Amino acid sequence: GAVVSQHPSWVICKSGTSVKIECRSLDFQATTMFWYRQFPKQSLMLMATSNEGSKATYEQGVEKDKFLINHASLTLSTLTVTSAHPEDSSFYICSARISAGGPGEQFFGPGTRLTVL
Amino acid sequence: AQKVTQAQTEISVVEKEDVTLDCVYETRDTTYYLFWYKQPPSGELVFLIRRNSFDEQNEISGRYSWNFQKSTSSFNFTITASQVVDSAVYFCALSEDPNQAGTALIFGKGTTLSVSS
Repeated sequence: GAVVSQHPSWVICKSGTSVKIECRSLDFQATTMFWYRQFPKQSLMLMATSNEGSKATYEQGVEKDKFLINHASLTLSTLTVTSAHPEDSSFYICSARISAGGPGEQFFGPGTRLTVL
Repeated sequence: AQKVTQAQTEISVVEKEDVTLDCVYETRDTTYYLFWYKQPPSGELVFLIRRNSFDEQNEISGRYSWNFQKSTSSFNFTITASQVVDSAVYFCALSEDPNQAGTALIFGKGTTLSVSS
C-alpha cells in the first residue's frame, strides 16, 4: 500500500525558532499534498494545499508567512513553522494524493507533534 | 457548504456491547466520497473505509459495519461486540469533487469511544 512518512515524529523547540517538517510519499508520486493541524481533543483542520511546482493555497486564517510550504518534488513537501510560539504547539499531519487518475485517494502521514516552549 | 457533523462527542461502553457512531454530512455535489478513520492515542490516522456517493450498499468488515443512507445524508458506523482495543477517536470525513486535485478531506469533530473491560 501507499506509504507517507513524516519527519520528525516529534519536536520540541524554543519560542522564536523555526521548525521544518517533512512529508514524503515513499512509493508513489503525489502531485498534491495537504497539511492539517490538530489541536488537543479537536478535529483535523486543513491548513494548506500544496501542489508540486507551484505556490501553496492557504485556508482562511492561516498565515502564509508563518507557515511556509514548499513542494519541490512529486514525493516531498515541507512545512516550516517560522518564529514558532507556544500557540503553534499542535499535531501536524500531512496527506498525499496519488497523481494517477481516478478518485484521488489520499494517504496520511503519521503526524508530527510540535511543542514550543 | 460542505459539512460533517458527528453529534456524539464521547461514548462509553462495556466490552462486548455494540456501539453505533453517527455521521451526518452536507454537500451540494452529487459526486463525493465519505470516509471513516480511527485515531488511537498514538495519533496516526487509521483508514477504515471509503464509500462513494453512488454506492449505497451497506458494508461489513469483521466486527465493523457501515450504513450509508443518502436520503438522510448519514453514514453511520457500527462496531459489534466492542473490545478495549477499539478505544480511540473516530472521525467521519467528506471529500467533494474527488477528481479535482485540490480536494482535501473535511473532517467531523470526532467521537471518542471508550470501551471498558
